[in-house]
Amino acid sequence: QKEVEQNSGPLSVPEGAIASLNCTYSDRGSQSFFWYRQYSGKSPELIMSIYSNGDKEDGRFTAQLNKASQYVSLLIRDSQPSDSATYLCAVNYYGNNRLAFGKGNQVVVIP
Amino acid sequence: DGGITQSPKYLFRKEGQNVTLSCEQNLNHDAMYWYRQDPGQGLRLIYYSQIVNDFQKGDIAEGYSVSREKKESFPLTVTSAQKNPTAFYLCATTPTSGGNEQFFGPGTRLTVL
Repeated sequence: QKEVEQNSGPLSVPEGAIASLNCTYSDRGSQSFFWYRQYSGKSPELIMSIYSNGDKEDGRFTAQLNKASQYVSLLIRDSQPSDSATYLCAVNYYGNNRLAFGKGNQVVVIP
Repeated sequence: DGGITQSPKYLFRKEGQNVTLSCEQNLNHDAMYWYRQDPGQGLRLIYYSQIVNDFQKGDIAEGYSVSREKKESFPLTVTSAQKNPTAFYLCATTPTSGGNEQFFGPGTRLTVL
């Protein structure tokens, strides 16, 4: 069973601060890593994908990947109330395009 | 207008009834997936299909059935054998050439009365 762990509880951050989310995975052969944002009652929306070690920046979002340590993280800079959502980490199964999802981390941005 | 559509948005079912959830896409994506999401849980894979006329069981296929007769369509039937069907059901697709990313439809919320 492929496992993706997002262990942090709900994260409250003041508006304008940095929100940091972490995710660990069990399959050393995984090659594709994704972060999804899910607003309450809505479907997940892909916000970041990363395939190589290091950082990838897209606007206020930065994804960080460390395959040796088997973790991927997401930083949200200058957090806005509209960033309040649950963030899901997803990792592909080696050899096919199935994804394993973590349970998600809720982020609340306080104005 | 391209995208993934799921219908209905809300569905109410009496115990013992089979219901079919629709998922249609006009993105020309080959692979399609069905997930179930329960409160506090991650997404759990029910069935997936990589090509027309072929599909595989996911992690929680019991009590569900699917078909893939057309590339654009991947309907999910929730049968009376599914003991706890109340959940949020999500359909997703993957581009034919890409990095395994999945894109989701708006979902169907099923409630068993």
